[in-house]
Amino acid sequence: GENVEQHPSTLSVQEGDSAVIKCTYSDSASNYFPWYKQELGKRPQLIIDIRSNVGEKKDQRIAVTLNKTAKHFSLHITETQPEDSAVYFCAAGENKLTFGGGTRVLVKP
Amino acid sequence: DAMVIQNPRYQVTQFGKPVTLSCSQTLNHNVMYWYQQKSSQAPKLLFHYYDKDFNNEADTPDNFQSRRPNTSFCFLDIRSPGLGDAAMYLCATSSAHRGKLFFGSGTQLSVL
Repeated sequence: GENVEQHPSTLSVQEGDSAVIKCTYSDSASNYFPWYKQELGKRPQLIIDIRSNVGEKKDQRIAVTLNKTAKHFSLHITETQPEDSAVYFCAAGENKLTFGGGTRVLVKP
Repeated sequence: DAMVIQNPRYQVTQFGKPVTLSCSQTLNHNVMYWYQQKSSQAPKLLFHYYDKDFNNEADTPDNFQSRRPNTSFCFLDIRSPGLGDAAMYLCATSSAHRGKLFFGSGTQLSVL
């Protein structure tokens, strides 16, 4: 089955700086790569996703890049704000998603 | 609004006492999933239904069962809850052709 590795497990950044989270996956058949943000006690919320026919996608301060050959994808958050503090999960698959271990992001004012 | 609804939000059960968690959806999605999420960990897929077809993950304990009586409803049955089964249980749906997951608010299960 699919195996997704996510790094780092924790990330502390100063407000206004950029944050980068990286994931690798094992199953070359995976073609859908979403990123979720989860605040304490709440459901995961989809923030951006990318499919395998696209190399990069951007939505305001958030961007995702995908390298299918190397089987890795990354989340980039620019101009971080305190409300970006949360746990972020990457995932890979299609109808069945496997999640990475999560990254706890802390944005310091 | 179309959505995924889980009841109850919090559930307390006793060690060994069967418990059922419920999920309903108004999205008319044909795929429904149950994930288990323990504190500070990633959601772990237990099983999913593609229409009426049940798909169990290889490492899901036999203690966990599921029912999907119709498109809108799906249930998670824990036959004999142990202390290690205390977790957030997340229901999610997707349209088979798109893959995007829509999560419910989850049920936080405590086992005493």
